[in-house]
Amino acid sequence: GDSVTQMEGPVTLSEEAFLTINCTYTATGYPSLFWYVQYPGEGLQLLLKATKADDKGSNKGFEATYRKETTSFHLEKGSVQVSDSAVYFCATRGYPGANSKLTFGKGITLSVRP
Amino acid sequence: DAGITQSPRHKVTETGTPVTLRCHQTENHRYMYWYRQDPGHGLRLIHYSYGVKDTDKGEVSDGYSVSRSKTEDFLLTLESATSSQTSVYFCAISEGTGVQPQHFGDGTRLSIL
Repeated sequence: GDSVTQMEGPVTLSEEAFLTINCTYTATGYPSLFWYVQYPGEGLQLLLKATKADDKGSNKGFEATYRKETTSFHLEKGSVQVSDSAVYFCATRGYPGANSKLTFGKGITLSVRP
Repeated sequence: DAGITQSPRHKVTETGTPVTLRCHQTENHRYMYWYRQDPGHGLRLIHYSYGVKDTDKGEVSDGYSVSRSKTEDFLLTLESATSSQTSVYFCAISEGTGVQPQHFGDGTRLSIL
């Protein structure tokens, strides 16, 4: 079945540091890839997505590129802020496939210090 | 924000009691999902629905049942709650599959003593 592997956490950075969170996936067909963010006490919010190879998803200064050759979808941000402190989940959704479902990584906690 | 309401938001109950969690959506989306979130496991799919009265099992469905009698409501029932079902439960909705993202509710924190 599909699987997602995220780098081990937690990660602690100083404000304005560069962020990379690694994500690799295993999926059949032509999967779509997603990054979700979860702020304390809230549900998951879609951060960005990419639906085909070499697509770059971007939102709020975050970027991730769909790399089919390395089956990766690493999340990056050039300058993190305290408000970026949250849990980040990488997810894949196989396609085509009837009722295809999201498969999540285990998530990684990011803490940004002022 | 997607119109998803989960109720209750918090619940404490005892082992062996039945528990029902409700997810209500105002988006008229076809697909609805129940996940549980536990430390070290990320989110795991319990059950999902692809239409009224159409449901299927996810990867951790044992001990749970669901029902969907209306497009807007998806109920998750623990027939006889156990301590291993203590978790945070999230409902999600999706307009379609494949490239369509899922949108999540704010969760229900369930503690079973």
